[in-house]
Amino acid sequence: DIQMTQSPSTLSASVGDRVTITCRASQTISSWLAWYQQKPGKAPKVLIYKASSLESGVPSRFSGSGSGTEFTLTISSLQPDDFATYYCQQYNSYSWTFGQGTKVEMK
Amino acid sequence: EVQLVESGGGLVQPGGSLRVSCAASGFTFSRFWMSWVRQAPGKGLEWVANINRDGSEKYYVDSVKGRFTISRDNAKNSLYLQMNTLRADDTAVYYCARVAAAALGPHFDCWGQGTLVTVSS
Repeated sequence: DIQMTQSPSTLSASVGDRVTITCRASQTISSWLAWYQQKPGKAPKVLIYKASSLESGVPSRFSGSGSGTEFTLTISSLQPDDFATYYCQQYNSYSWTFGQGTKVEMK
Repeated sequence: EVQLVESGGGLVQPGGSLRVSCAASGFTFSRFWMSWVRQAPGKGLEWVANINRDGSEKYYVDSVKGRFTISRDNAKNSLYLQMNTLRADDTAVYYCARVAAAALGPHFDCWGQGTLVTVSS
């Protein structure tokens, strides 16, 4: 099974900061990677799919990059609504795996 | 508006069974793969099972194989997860999720609000 490792697990940042979260796959997954945002008590919401495609309605300050085994989610200028937990998710051979999550908290 | 509404969660004893359901609306249910994803209290997300459009293909995470069964009724726009031989580590919020169209990559583009399943004596 493919394992997904996110870093960091927790990130302390301020409004206006540029934030980068990394996700590494244990083997190549081409571009089959998505990023989700989850707030406490709520269902996850997709931000990015196919590594770099922005989901409709998601602010353009969110961007994704990477292919193969290393991927990045970037928030160009952190906004108050962005404090949340972020998960990467891969797809390979009818198996889906999430990373362990990165909590973005207020510094 | 695309909507997924789960139901059927609750408290069940270890070794017991439970079926959770998901009612879909606002889209052509039979055109999409569907999934169950769970989240244990205070933990991350875990994909549980997927089913294809007509129910002929089903895939499961190893930890639930042989115990859980995913199914769907396209006439009723409904998705189900039958959970047998439940264990304490199955305690989680169970989310119903829609798998995006193949051309967009198989991510989960719509989620329900979740239903809590608690396995405890």
